[in-house]
Amino acid sequence: EVHLLESGGGVVQPGGSLRLSCAASGFTFSSYAMSWVRQAPGKGLEWVSSISDSGGSTYNADSVKGRFTISRDESKNTLYLQLNSLRAEDTAVYYCAKGSRQWLAPDFDYWGQGTLVTVSS
Amino acid sequence: QSALTQPPSASGSPGQSVTISCTGTSSDVGGYNSVSWYEQHPGKAPKLMIYDVSKRPSGVPDRFSGSKSGNTASLTVSGLQAEDEADYYCSSYAGSNILVFGGGTKLTVL
Repeated sequence: EVHLLESGGGVVQPGGSLRLSCAASGFTFSSYAMSWVRQAPGKGLEWVSSISDSGGSTYNADSVKGRFTISRDESKNTLYLQLNSLRAEDTAVYYCAKGSRQWLAPDFDYWGQGTLVTVSS
Repeated sequence: QSALTQPPSASGSPGQSVTISCTGTSSDVGGYNSVSWYEQHPGKAPKLMIYDVSKRPSGVPDRFSGSKSGNTASLTVSGLQAEDEADYYCSSYAGSNILVFGGGTKLTVL
């Protein structure tokens, strides 16, 4: 059974940094693209970042380009999202999502339960 | 990276059919057969209901179907059931290695 377990969320001041982790199990982690999708309180879903199966290609939304970095560690079956220069508008639940393909595509067949990031002074 | 346009709300009575639209441009919905739909219940993670415009993952009831015409994709829920009451989001590949979601539609079963 596929499991995705996010961690690392919390309260951080504007301009601060945070690293989110997503521990994956139940599937061959190295065979699928992985992504982060966020949802601000009471708002809709927003794609944030994706990484190819090999980790050789990364993709980011314009809203986080230059501030967030996605990465993966195949030896630990773990996906990461480094969040720098955080702003109030980055406050959201961050979901880890498994792609159904090796490459970037909008079909995420498994999701974690999410981790809340709150940016506030 | 503009969000795809969805109606804020939709509704139907049990047993009826309801269709939710997702309007984009020729650069996203109209340009690729890469549209997905998600169902999200309050406090829960989204669930993939449709991918590649009209394909259903295993386990998704055949009451859910997807289609596309031009720059608009649609999700149809037939034989509405109480448990279908949820938020629904469309998503599309938008070229240049970008993905985009719709603003979401709250489906109410009357």
